[in-house]
Amino acid sequence: EDQVTQSPEALRLQEGESSSLNCSYTVSGLRGLFWYRQDPGKGPEFLFTLYSAGEEKEKERLKATLTKKESFLHITAPKPEDSATYLCAVQAIGRGSNYKLTFGKGTLLTVNP
Amino acid sequence: NAGVTQTPKFRVLKTGQSMTLLCAQDMNHEYMYWYRQDPGMGLRLIHYSVGEGTTAKGEVPDGYNVSRLKKQNFLLGLESAAPSQTSVYFCASSTRRGHSNQPQHFGDGTRLSIL
Repeated sequence: EDQVTQSPEALRLQEGESSSLNCSYTVSGLRGLFWYRQDPGKGPEFLFTLYSAGEEKEKERLKATLTKKESFLHITAPKPEDSATYLCAVQAIGRGSNYKLTFGKGTLLTVNP
Repeated sequence: NAGVTQTPKFRVLKTGQSMTLLCAQDMNHEYMYWYRQDPGMGLRLIHYSVGEGTTAKGEVPDGYNVSRLKKQNFLLGLESAAPSQTSVYFCASSTRRGHSNQPQHFGDGTRLSIL
């Protein structure tokens, strides 16, 4: 069974204080790992897809990295508008499973001014 | 750009009542999904569809039915609502490019309370 564990559950940062969110996963074969951002009262918004170990993607203050067991979402010099819940999900290789995502419970990030 | 639109946005039901949640997407995506999101549980897949006229069970399908009569619409039905079905329901859609499944795009959810 595919599993995704995100840590920490909640993280509070000061504006400009860089940090990382962790996503550990167990999957028989990884087709892709996805990062989403979710604001209160909204649906998840796609950020990145990572396909293989060693891959990195960047978008503004965010950088996602991938190893064979985990992914990190690095946040550099965050701003209050980066406050949100960040979700990690995996898509497995395999008949009947390659359309579906397994989500972690998310990390609630709060950035104080 | 509408993307994925869910109706209604909010609803309160009494135990035993039935209702249908509507999801519409304008991106011509083949795949559509229904999730529920509960505190401390994360997003869990209820049902999904890989094309018009097809549906399949996800992780938590009991108590729900779905239909995909048109490519752009995916309906989620509750035949006899129970308090345990109080949740936020999200619809998503995605497409496929070559061997790669593209990211799922989500609607803004339906907040459903069962009294």
